[in-house]
Amino acid sequence: GESVGLHLPTLSVQEGDNSIINCAYSNSASDYFIWYKQESGKGPQFIIDIRSNMDKRQGQRVTVLLNKTVKHLSLQIAATQPGDSAVYFCAENGVSQLTFGKGTKLSVIP
Amino acid sequence: EAQVTQNPRYLITVTGKKLTVTCSQNMNHEYMSWYRQDPGLGLRQIYYSMNVEVTDKGDVPEGYKVSRKEKRNFPLILESPSPNQTSLYFCASSSGGGTEAFFGQGTRLTVV
Repeated sequence: GESVGLHLPTLSVQEGDNSIINCAYSNSASDYFIWYKQESGKGPQFIIDIRSNMDKRQGQRVTVLLNKTVKHLSLQIAATQPGDSAVYFCAENGVSQLTFGKGTKLSVIP
Repeated sequence: EAQVTQNPRYLITVTGKKLTVTCSQNMNHEYMSWYRQDPGLGLRQIYYSMNVEVTDKGDVPEGYKVSRKEKRNFPLILESPSPNQTSLYFCASSSGGGTEAFFGQGTRLTVV
């Protein structure tokens, strides 16, 4: 069946460095993707989204890249800070709302 | 403040004792859904609703019921909870397909 997944379950990054979190999706009909951040004890929070007619979208310190040819999505966080430590999920818009990947835990080393 | 509110935040119950987790949103969203989150499995959708009186099964609906009698509320009902329903539950709402979903703070349920 169709699924959304992540390449790496954990990622450790030095404070100040850039972080890249990857996501693979298999539903070629998906036209909307979202990245969520989930801090310990909280619900997922929206970070940034991208539609399938775009390749790149930038926010504040975050950039999402979409490669439809290989069905790959990435989240780039510039100048990673301790407050960025969390689990990050990509989500794919399907018929019944969103399908989530299993998440990547980002740990920032001070 | 725009928000999705779940209650209770924490609940410990015994096998077979019916319980309801409430969810309310104040954004006039049409779409609402319930997810459970388990270690290593991520977020899995239980049920969703596209509008009042319209509900449908998600990926893991067994053992759960929902209702959508009014737009703002979407309660999750466990008629006869079992230990395998011990999990972290999230309610979410959105204005429709292709839009971001807003999540509640979660309900941690333990069934003993």
